[in-house]
Amino acid sequence: NAGVTQTPKFRVLKTGQSMTLLCAQDMNHEYMYWYRQDPGMGLRLIHYSVGEGTTAKGEVPDGYNVSRLKKQNFLLGLESAAPSQTSVYFCASRAIRAEAFFGQGTRLTVV
Amino acid sequence: AQTVTQSQPEMSVQEAETVTLSCTYDTSESNYYLFWYKQPPSRQMILVIRQEAYKQQNATENRFSVNFQKAAKSFSLKISDSQLGDTAMYFCAHVSSGSARQLTFGSGTQLTVLP
Repeated sequence: NAGVTQTPKFRVLKTGQSMTLLCAQDMNHEYMYWYRQDPGMGLRLIHYSVGEGTTAKGEVPDGYNVSRLKKQNFLLGLESAAPSQTSVYFCASRAIRAEAFFGQGTRLTVV
Repeated sequence: AQTVTQSQPEMSVQEAETVTLSCTYDTSESNYYLFWYKQPPSRQMILVIRQEAYKQQNATENRFSVNFQKAAKSFSLKISDSQLGDTAMYFCAHVSSGSARQLTFGSGTQLTVLP
């Protein structure tokens, strides 16, 4: 049982480049989340999904897009990366009335 | 919008002693869930304990227990018999059981257990 898997684990981008982060869960969870973690700011919610085909904005959605075409996958896209998007990104999933399970994180550096 | 506040950015405790981490939250919902997560240097997020708002009894998990005060919207974590392995960043989190479903975290408390 793999749980929640994030791909890639590390990435360096140049300003203006685009990329997609993949989150895959094998627990049949309804809810999935993308967070960014910056020093002193905890985990801030970027976007989330309450089911296949649905997405919603979180606290810091600007500069990011998401899609959930399949229940098990939640993709986070950066269309034009900026240095302010340098961060550690976490994906999480949870079932109804349950706690969240997290991926191992993706360290993204934008230069 | 719901918010979660952890007012102690850093704390330290001597090994084998007891420490309490504070958390307050703001929500308009009547039913929700609260969590404490631990993040060691490995960066992995690990669930420590959970509390359901409709349950009046405080949750306990071995050396970890909570003081849940629903009226005051307070959810503190007590760690007894602190161990070196408890050194980590601790996050408090809230999620509504209503339609919002946002899982919101506090800014974290860095706990250091001193030998």
